[in-house]
Amino acid sequence: GAGVSQSPSNKVTEKGKDVELRCDPISGHTALYWYRQSLGQGLEFLIYFQGNSAPDKSGLPSDRFSAERTGGSVSTLTIQRTQQEDSAVYLCASSLSTGGLAEQYFGPGTRLTVT
Amino acid sequence: AQTVTQSQPEMSVQEAETVTLSCTYDTSENNYYLFWYKQPPSRQMILVIRQEAYKQQNATENRFSVNFQKAAKSFSLKISDSQLGDTAMYFCAFMKFRGAQKLVFGQGTRLTINP
Repeated sequence: GAGVSQSPSNKVTEKGKDVELRCDPISGHTALYWYRQSLGQGLEFLIYFQGNSAPDKSGLPSDRFSAERTGGSVSTLTIQRTQQEDSAVYLCASSLSTGGLAEQYFGPGTRLTVT
Repeated sequence: AQTVTQSQPEMSVQEAETVTLSCTYDTSENNYYLFWYKQPPSRQMILVIRQEAYKQQNATENRFSVNFQKAAKSFSLKISDSQLGDTAMYFCAFMKFRGAQKLVFGQGTRLTINP
């Protein structure tokens, strides 16, 4: 079946502009995660959605970052007033349920470059 | 807070050799999960192997096995009979057994398998 998809695959934007990154999880997966991978770094957790529960936003680095998940499926990560330090690969993952036994399936990521 | 450390930024071995990637972590939790993920140039993270901390037996998946030393908080990955397709970034990751469902990643090890 189809895996996690993300769009766009690459995005170049000017400093100060807003950007939206999209994630389509695997159908039926109730949990959705966003991570950020800066150049030469490991992945950093941003936000987590599980069903109808309030999202875990503990990883969002500033109030310029927000995310929503509509209808329990597609998610959009929005970065307002982008800064150069926001340049990174943004990865989305989904899982059938929660916990360490529920494998997180990752998408190919969106590479964001802020000029 | 949990931290994961991978002390080998890069490694290189010849095809068919065995290679071991190191990972240490810090946590006050007693139960948790540990993972190794592979990230090829396509950027898509792929789960290689998972270990549940409450299981003493080391996990194995075909040519991949782990050496889990709970007291030492060490979780190394051994790749036997390495293949060219094993060339990738490898990330060690931690997840709590209960509570926050996020993965905490190490900085990664870039592994190159040479023909």
